Amino acid sequence: GAVVSQHPSRVICKSGTSVKIECRSLDFQATTMFWYRQFPKQSLMLMATSNEGSKATYEQGVEKDKFLINHASLTLSTLTVTSAHPEDSSFYICSARTDRYTEAFFGQGTRLTVV
Amino acid sequence: AQTVTQSQPEMSVQEAETVTLSCTYDTSESDYYLFWYKQPPSRQMILVIRQEAYKQQNATENRFSVNFQKAAKSFSLKISDSQLGDAAMYFCAYGATSGSRLTFGEGTQLTVNP
Repeated sequence: GAVVSQHPSRVICKSGTSVKIECRSLDFQATTMFWYRQFPKQSLMLMATSNEGSKATYEQGVEKDKFLINHASLTLSTLTVTSAHPEDSSFYICSARTDRYTEAFFGQGTRLTVV
Repeated sequence: AQTVTQSQPEMSVQEAETVTLSCTYDTSESDYYLFWYKQPPSRQMILVIRQEAYKQQNATENRFSVNFQKAAKSFSLKISDSQLGDAAMYFCAYGATSGSRLTFGEGTQLTVNP
């Protein structure tokens, strides 16, 4: 199957700073990338959908100015958490899909801790 | 809107035994995809098995098989000869088309007892 690489796997930042998380499709071109947030022992909550070269589509209740998503190429999408607060601490997962495969491929996830 | 429901928050099985995880979904589409993903403690999402709705034959991958009942909108996962490494959170997921967003169920935490 295809590989999606997500970095960093863990990050600790101070309250008020910004953090960027990268998601790369290594051996395929991802027409669509998805960003999820997951709380402990819960399911994946979709935050936004991004297509290369266009603005991301955010789910209801997700602040687009706080969670900036850029999908600059068919192999790279980034999520920037701006002015992070402790309540933004969570596990963030990216996923990529393409018409070539039926399933979605997931990054390893990023555990964000805001102190 | 599509919804996916997993009614078993937790399940346990003895090593080498068989366990079935339940999943139901709701959709008005006739063609779609269904998946089971596994999330071990590492939290990496791993595809276990997939089913295309247009295929009547149930998908099988080694010890993993599904019971796909399209009319009942049911998609259960059977794990045979359970192994300690099968312990994980299992998510049922629905995808309308190849490339579209996936809708996940709440998850079932599977424990395998030695």
